[in-house]
Amino acid sequence: GQSLEQPSEVTAVEGAIVQINCTYQTSGFYGLSWYQQHDGGAPTFLSYNALDGLEETGRFSSFLSRSDSYGYLLLQELQMKDSASYFCAPSGGYQKVTFGIGTKLQVIP
Amino acid sequence: ETGVTQSPTHLIKTRGQQVTLRCSSQSGHNTVSWYQQALGQGPQFIFQYYREEENGRGNFPPRFSGLQFPNYSSELNVNALELDDSALYLCASSLAVEGGELFFGEGSRLTVL
Repeated sequence: GQSLEQPSEVTAVEGAIVQINCTYQTSGFYGLSWYQQHDGGAPTFLSYNALDGLEETGRFSSFLSRSDSYGYLLLQELQMKDSASYFCAPSGGYQKVTFGIGTKLQVIP
Repeated sequence: ETGVTQSPTHLIKTRGQQVTLRCSSQSGHNTVSWYQQALGQGPQFIFQYYREEENGRGNFPPRFSGLQFPNYSSELNVNALELDDSALYLCASSLAVEGGELFFGEGSRLTVL
C-alpha cells in the first residue's frame, strides 16, 4: 500500500529554522518533491530529490534518505510569507505525484 | 503565474448533474495531471494524460473521465455528481521527465448541492 506521514501543524518564530519531516511508503518510488500552497492558492514546486542527500535552494533545503523512506524540508530565516501548507510528494515516475495531507506552517512574530 | 489556466473558476451544480472542467497547459508541456483537493486535505491524484492517452489513474471511479487534445489542453468530466465531489479541482502541466516540476493552475472550485 501507500502511506505518507508528515506533521499536520507546525508553529515557528520569524527568523528561526523549521524542519518538516516526511516518511513515505509507496510503490515504484522515483523521488520526493516538496510543494508549498498558500490558502486559496495553487501548489507551487519547491524542490525535488532523486538521490540521497541534501539539495539547497536559497532559504529552503530538502533531504532524502531512500533507505529510510524519509525526507525533510528545512526552511531557514523564516519569514511571515512562509506561512502556508507544505506537502511532501513522492513520485511514482513521470510526475505521477502523490500528495499527503500536508503540514500547515504558521510563522509568528 | 504558471501559464496554466483553468475554467471555470467557480461553479455550482446539483447532485446527479454532469460537469466539464477545462485546462490550458503551459506552452510546450505534453503531460497534464488532474487532482481533486477537498477542504483541508492534500491534492488527490485523479489521472494523468500524456500525448492524448491516459497514462495513470488514481483511486477514482469511472464517472471521472478526461481528454487531452492535440494542443495539449485538457478536460475533466465528472458524471452523476455526488455531494462528496465538492472540491477544488487542480490541473497541473509538466514535461514528461522525471523530477520535472508540476505547474498548477489556480483550480476550479466545484460545489455540489
